[in-house]
Amino acid sequence: EAAVTQSPRNKVTVTGGNVTLSCRQTNSHNYMYWYRQDTGHGLRLIHYSYGAGNLQIGDVPDGYKATRTTQEDFFLLLELASPSQTSLYFCASSVRDRGNERLFFGHGTKLSVL
Amino acid sequence: GEQVEQRPPHLSVREGDSAIIICTYTDSATAYFSWYKQEAGAGLQLLMSVLSNVDRKEEQGLTVLLNKKDKRLSLNLTAAHPGDSAVYFCAVSAPGSFNKLTFGAGTRLAVCP
Repeated sequence: EAAVTQSPRNKVTVTGGNVTLSCRQTNSHNYMYWYRQDTGHGLRLIHYSYGAGNLQIGDVPDGYKATRTTQEDFFLLLELASPSQTSLYFCASSVRDRGNERLFFGHGTKLSVL
Repeated sequence: GEQVEQRPPHLSVREGDSAIIICTYTDSATAYFSWYKQEAGAGLQLLMSVLSNVDRKEEQGLTVLLNKKDKRLSLNLTAAHPGDSAVYFCAVSAPGSFNKLTFGAGTRLAVCP
């Protein structure tokens, strides 16, 4: 089973703070993703990547940067955090399985911006 | 862009009853359909997925139905048990964009003994 590990599990920061969320996957999947989960919205895609050094913009990218340093590691950066970015963040990696894209999710990072 | 509506937001059933969750989508070109389960404090796990050439798929007490004419996707849990209590999400994507999933808002299912 694919392993996707996120850190930290919980983070509290203040408005204007600088936050980095980390994600590591150990199955050499090409694609990795950052989502945010908010009540009433489901999961919304922030950024994704198909390999080291690559970055693709998702559906809600404003206020976020991301960097894929290696096949395994994908980081989400909030350089000037705002209260609207208080959310539950999920990282995922994916593999094509019998024609379908299967995502494997981490346990999530709960971020509070005060 | 694609819009996905999922209902109901909350569902409570008794053990042994069936539970049905429905998603409607807007883009007729949508080609990939999936259902995920999120247990408390955990990430999402893929339950089932179908491509647009499939109308019905059954696996391990779960039935996915796809009505392309009405742009409706449903998940039916037959004979639900307390271990099925979780939040369920549908997710869809367009051809050539299998990696960019649009999720429904989720259904919180409670199965009471």
